[in-house]
Amino acid sequence: EIVLTQSPGTLSLSPGERATLSCRASQSVSSYLAWYQQKPGQTPRLLIYGASGRATGIPVRFSGSGSGADFTLTISRLEPEDFAVYYCQQYGSSPYTFGQGTKLEIK
Amino acid sequence: EVQLVQSGAEVKKPGESLKISCKGSGYRFTSYWIGWVRQMPGKGLEWMGLIYPGDSETRYSPSFQGQVTISADKSISTAYLQWSSLKASDTAMYYCARLDSGLDVWGQGTTVTVSS
Repeated sequence: EIVLTQSPGTLSLSPGERATLSCRASQSVSSYLAWYQQKPGQTPRLLIYGASGRATGIPVRFSGSGSGADFTLTISRLEPEDFAVYYCQQYGSSPYTFGQGTKLEIK
Repeated sequence: EVQLVQSGAEVKKPGESLKISCKGSGYRFTSYWIGWVRQMPGKGLEWMGLIYPGDSETRYSPSFQGQVTISADKSISTAYLQWSSLKASDTAMYYCARLDSGLDVWGQGTTVTVSS
């Protein structure tokens, strides 16, 4: 089973700042890596698929990069609605595991 | 509109059985894998397993193998998650989601509460 480790656990930033979230896999997942956003009381939403593809309707300030075992989600300029929990998930090897999440909070 | 609609919240006692559902619409249900995800109160997302409704091929996470059963009835575009004997530790929100380069469409979630 592939283990995904996200860092940091919590990220405190201000609106307008740049956010960089990391996801590291215990072995290569090629580019089969997705990122999700979840706000309190809401269903998760797909942001990024295939490590760098932006899902439908996702603003351009969200971008993904990486391949193999190291991946990054970048939010170029934080908007108030971006403060949430972010999860990565690999879908290259069953079981399709999730990372433990990064909480992005307002500083 | 592509959507997954899950069955309503459940309150059960330990030892009882349960089957929750996830109905797809707006797309060819038999052509996409459906995954199930658990989220315990205040915790992160956990991958449980998935099913391909076209032929009912199923893959379980080792953590959930033997604990739940995933099934589908393609004639009514519905996937299921069931328990034969619930435990208090099964209390959680359960989501179904369509797998298409990531989980692109999610059900609204089904809350399962197991309490004596």
